[in-house]
Amino acid sequence: DGGITQSPKYLFRKEGQNVTLSCEQNLNHDAMYWYRQDPGQGLRLIYYSQIVNDFQKGDIAEGYSVSREKKESFPLTVTSAQKNPTAFYLCASKGGQRDYGYTFGSGTRLTVV
Amino acid sequence: AQKVTQAQTEISVVEKEDVTLDCVYETRDTTYYLFWYKQPPSGELVFLIRRNSFDEQNEISGRYSWNFQKSTSSFNFTITASQVVDSAVYFCALTGFINTGTASKLTFGTGTRLQVTL
Repeated sequence: DGGITQSPKYLFRKEGQNVTLSCEQNLNHDAMYWYRQDPGQGLRLIYYSQIVNDFQKGDIAEGYSVSREKKESFPLTVTSAQKNPTAFYLCASKGGQRDYGYTFGSGTRLTVV
Repeated sequence: AQKVTQAQTEISVVEKEDVTLDCVYETRDTTYYLFWYKQPPSGELVFLIRRNSFDEQNEISGRYSWNFQKSTSSFNFTITASQVVDSAVYFCALTGFINTGTASKLTFGTGTRLQVTL
């Protein structure tokens, strides 16, 4: 079945370490997104990519980095510069310009101790 | 800039009661899409509905109904005869059409937590 796979579901890291969250889709979607969710704040956009080898900052990009080397993959790295990285991270994808069907992964809960 | 406001942070109802979740939006786009998603405790987002700005017809799907009013920039969601399984966080979201290219960004409200008890 087509969909988005985020791994791992739970991730624990020590403060000061970089960590990479995986997001893979087999929907042949062009656009991919990373959102962060904190309690009471809804989902906020970190980075998005419209096409391979291209990505743009969202509303809260500081302390994060991404790459889009393959259409299927959009990994997110949470760097040590991110001051409060503990959160729930959701990856999403969308088809072409006229396709407004967004597909979301099941999320990764990152805890930094 | 786009903005979605869900003023109700948390709602508690008793099973079988009707409940309405409010959503008010702001956008300068003339063409846009509105969404509702359900987030159960497991965390994934479950798509409920998508509505484009040219279609103001209300929609009903089983116990769910949506009231889209452009005049008040609102897209409210009503659950009739609520059930315990409806307990979740519900998000309203908005995306523009013009000047956003293929990667139209979804802007989310802060969500409304619905608790349905027996």
